[in-house]
Amino acid sequence: NAGVTQTPKFQVLKTGQSMTLQCAQDMNHNSMYWYRQDPGMGLRLIYYSASEGTTDKGEVPNGYNVSRLNKREFSLRLESAAPSQTSVYFCASSEPGLASDEQFFGPGTRLTVL
Amino acid sequence: DQQVKQNSPSLSVQEGRISILNCDYTNSMFDYFLWYKKYPAEGPTFLISISSIKDKNEDGRFTVFLNKSAKHLSLHIVPSQPGDSAVYFCAARFQGAQKLVFGQGTRLTINP
Repeated sequence: NAGVTQTPKFQVLKTGQSMTLQCAQDMNHNSMYWYRQDPGMGLRLIYYSASEGTTDKGEVPNGYNVSRLNKREFSLRLESAAPSQTSVYFCASSEPGLASDEQFFGPGTRLTVL
Repeated sequence: DQQVKQNSPSLSVQEGRISILNCDYTNSMFDYFLWYKKYPAEGPTFLISISSIKDKNEDGRFTVFLNKSAKHLSLHIVPSQPGDSAVYFCAARFQGAQKLVFGQGTRLTINP
C-alpha cells in the first residue's frame, strides 16, 4: 500500500517549456487535489477533483491544467512554464464523507523554472 | 485575503516542555479544523482535527483547543520531543465543502 505517489521528485525547466506532473493513489479515494507550497505562503490549492470525471479550480489555477485520468490518477500540466511557477507541488487524496475529510499527501515534486 | 493565519513563523521549545502553536481564522463558515505536520522533503501528514461544535480534542501528547468566539485554535504538545521538530500547518474546511484552506505554517524546533 504505497498511498499517494508523485513523479518526478525533481525537475528543472526552462521558461516556456511544458511538463506534466503525475500523481496516483491506491486508497480508492474519490477526491484528489493539487497544491503548491511557497515560502511564507503555506499550501495553496491549484485544482481539485471531487470525483472521477470532474475537476474544479482552486485558489491559484492560472497557468495550469489538470486531467483526472481515472479514479487513481490525477495529473497537473504546465503548458508554458514561468519562473513564478518555481515551487514544491503536492498531490493529495481524500474520501468524502469522513468526518474531518483528512487528506493524504504525496512526497512532493520540487520544480525549478529558469 | 488570508482566511487562516499562523502569525508565528517559528517557535523554539526545550525538550520535555509544552509547545503551543497558534492559529487564527476569519470565516465563521469553517466546520472542521485540522493540524498537519511536515518534515523536510516529505509531504504533510495529518496530526489531529477538531469539529467546530467542540472546544477540545485530545490524542496522546497532542491536544487541540478551539475558541470560536475569538476565532482561534491552538495545538498543545506535551511533553515535547526532538521528533516533534517539524513545520506545523493549521487548516480549515468550509461547511459542506471538501477543500481545505491552509495557514502559512510554523516551524517548531525542539532543543535538547
